[in-house]
Amino acid sequence: DTGVSQDPRHKITKRGQNVTFRCDPISEHNRLYWYRQTLGQGPEFLTYFQNEAQLEKSRLLSDRFSAERPKGSFSTLEIQRTEQGDSAMYLCASSLGGNSPLHFGNGTRLTVT
Amino acid sequence: AQKVTQAQTEISVVEKEDVTLDCVYETRDTTYYLFWYKQPPSGELVFLIRRNSFDEQNEISGRYSWNFQKSTSSFNFTITASQVVDSAVYFCAPARRGGSEKLVFGKGTKLTVNP
Repeated sequence: DTGVSQDPRHKITKRGQNVTFRCDPISEHNRLYWYRQTLGQGPEFLTYFQNEAQLEKSRLLSDRFSAERPKGSFSTLEIQRTEQGDSAMYLCASSLGGNSPLHFGNGTRLTVT
Repeated sequence: AQKVTQAQTEISVVEKEDVTLDCVYETRDTTYYLFWYKQPPSGELVFLIRRNSFDEQNEISGRYSWNFQKSTSSFNFTITASQVVDSAVYFCAPARRGGSEKLVFGKGTKLTVNP
């Protein structure tokens, strides 16, 4: 169990640019979640995959956001035409299902200038 | 929809004091799960405990204990003999049983333990 890993750890980008983040879940976990956390707030749910299927998306996930999990293993989260309001920590988590605990990665901190 | 309220935004204690973190949740589900997570200054969310709504037995794990009261929709967390390493933000999060099983986080309680 090497844990959930996220790449990059930090990303600074200019407004209007596109960014992509990667998450590698714990290998035997079939569920994968993306959350966003801003300063002083708890994590907010963005989207969830079971294997390669994206089964739920939050209203927070605007058209500029897209997530994929092509082979049911790693996942990517892309933000197009970034805005300053997108600045946040993006967290990935995985689980075995059955309401087992979510295991979180260290997150990717995005700063949009 | 589920919702959680952690009324204590910040708590500051001196080492070795006991401290209780309050959690009140709202859910329309008859069965659900409740979780506590710790987020130390390093940033990674660390799982502490999961509780099934059917199980109202209190739980103790070392210096940590949890008091679940379904009648008042509360799931409080007590740290006994606090230590500086307990300094972190603590989140209580309900989760629907089945479906996405996503955790619904509140704003958390920031605990500072001073030496």
